[in-house]
Amino acid sequence: AQSVAQPEDQVNVAEGNPLTVKCTYSVSGNPYLFWYVQYPNRGLQFLLKYITGDNLVKGSYGFEAEFNKSQTSFHLKKPSALVSDSALYFCAVRDIRDDKIIFGKGTRLHILP
Amino acid sequence: DADVTQTPRNRITKTGKRIMLECSQTKGHDRMYWYRQDPGLGLRLIYYSFDVKDINKGEISDGYSVSRQAQAKFSLSLESAIPNQTALYFCATSDPGLGNTGELFFGEGSRLTVL
Repeated sequence: AQSVAQPEDQVNVAEGNPLTVKCTYSVSGNPYLFWYVQYPNRGLQFLLKYITGDNLVKGSYGFEAEFNKSQTSFHLKKPSALVSDSALYFCAVRDIRDDKIIFGKGTRLHILP
Repeated sequence: DADVTQTPRNRITKTGKRIMLECSQTKGHDRMYWYRQDPGLGLRLIYYSFDVKDINKGEISDGYSVSRQAQAKFSLSLESAIPNQTALYFCATSDPGLGNTGELFFGEGSRLTVL
C-alpha cells in the first residue's frame, strides 16, 4: 500500500529566507505526487503536482517541488518566504492502480516576520 | 457559489445518534471522496466512489457508510456516532480524464462534534 511521510510537524522560517517542507513516499509503480495547502477554517487547495517529466515542478504562489526518485522524496520549496505562506501543508500520493489518494500528516509552516 | 458544497458546516450531536453529512458538486466530476482530518493525523480516506455504482472503502471505513445518490451527490453517514468520530470531515472530487491528473477539489469541511 502507498504511504506518505512528512517528518516535520512544524517548520519555522524567517520572512525572506528560503523554505523547505519535506515529504517522502512509498508507492508501487510510478508515483503521482501532490502538494496541498490549508489555511485556517478552509478546505485544502491544490498547489502543484508531479506526474512525469522535469524533476522540478512549479506551482501556485511561487512554490516549487523537487522530485527525487532515488530518495523517494518530493520536497516543497520556495526561494523567499512570505508571512502569508504560514499555513498547514500536505503532501499526497496517488496510486494509479486503485486511484486511492493518500495524504501525509501535514506540516505546519510558520513564517516569522 | 462553491463548486463542492458540504452540509452541515458544523454539527454537535450525542453518542448513539445517526448523522448524515452531505456533499454536492457542480464540477461534473465522476470521482468523489470522503476524508476526515484529525490534529496530528492529517487526512485519512474513509470512502471513495468512481461513479454511482462504484464505491470503495478507504483507510478507515469502520463505523461509516456512504451513498452515491447521483453523480453530483455523495453522502457520508454515521449510523451510531461515538466521541472518537469527532473530527473535521472533507468531501473532495477529481476528474482523472485525459489531460487531467486527478488533483482533488475540496469542500470547506464539516466539523462534527460527538458528545
